[in-house]
Amino acid sequence: GDSVTQMEGPVTLSEEAFLTINCTYTATGYPSLFWYVQYPGEGLQLLLKATKADDKGSNKGFEATYRKETTSFHLEKGSVQVSDSAVYFCALRPGGSYIPTFGRGTSLIVHP
Amino acid sequence: DAGVIQSPRHEVTEMGQEVTLRCKPISGHDYLFWYRQTMMRGLELLIYFNNNVPIDDSGMPEDRFSAKMPNASFSTLKIQPSEPRDSAVYFCASSYGQGAINQPQHFGDGTRLSIL
Repeated sequence: GDSVTQMEGPVTLSEEAFLTINCTYTATGYPSLFWYVQYPGEGLQLLLKATKADDKGSNKGFEATYRKETTSFHLEKGSVQVSDSAVYFCALRPGGSYIPTFGRGTSLIVHP
Repeated sequence: DAGVIQSPRHEVTEMGQEVTLRCKPISGHDYLFWYRQTMMRGLELLIYFNNNVPIDDSGMPEDRFSAKMPNASFSTLKIQPSEPRDSAVYFCASSYGQGAINQPQHFGDGTRLSIL
């Protein structure tokens, strides 16, 4: 079946450091890929998405590129801020389905 | 847009009591999902509805759990009787379906449930 694998956290960084959170997936067909962010005490919010191979999703300084050849969708940000501390979820939505599959989430902690 | 609204935000009750969680999806969304989030198991899909009809409830853990969607603007998740292992954060999410396969889900802020 479909699955999403994320790097385990927590990821701990200093402010202004470069961020990468790895995400790989297994799916049949051509899924859409998403990154969601969950701030403490809140629900998940869409951060960015990509719907086909080589698409780059971007938002709030975060980027991720849909790599079909490596089945990956790694999240990156050039300079993190304390306010980016949250849990990040990678997800896929299989082609022809409305039901997403989520990864386990990766906690990011950014220190001043 | 008001977003997905869940109530209550927090619920603390004793084992054996009935618990009812409520959700109002975003107007116009035709899919509604109930999730449970715990540290041990992560985010689990419990059940989802399309146009108010339950489509897949295979994630509902036991018969103690039930969900209804009497109309397009309201859904409930009920636990009866509740047990301590039901303690978790429960999320409701909604999304567009037909013709909008790349649309994301929109989550509520969740209900933090503690069963003593």
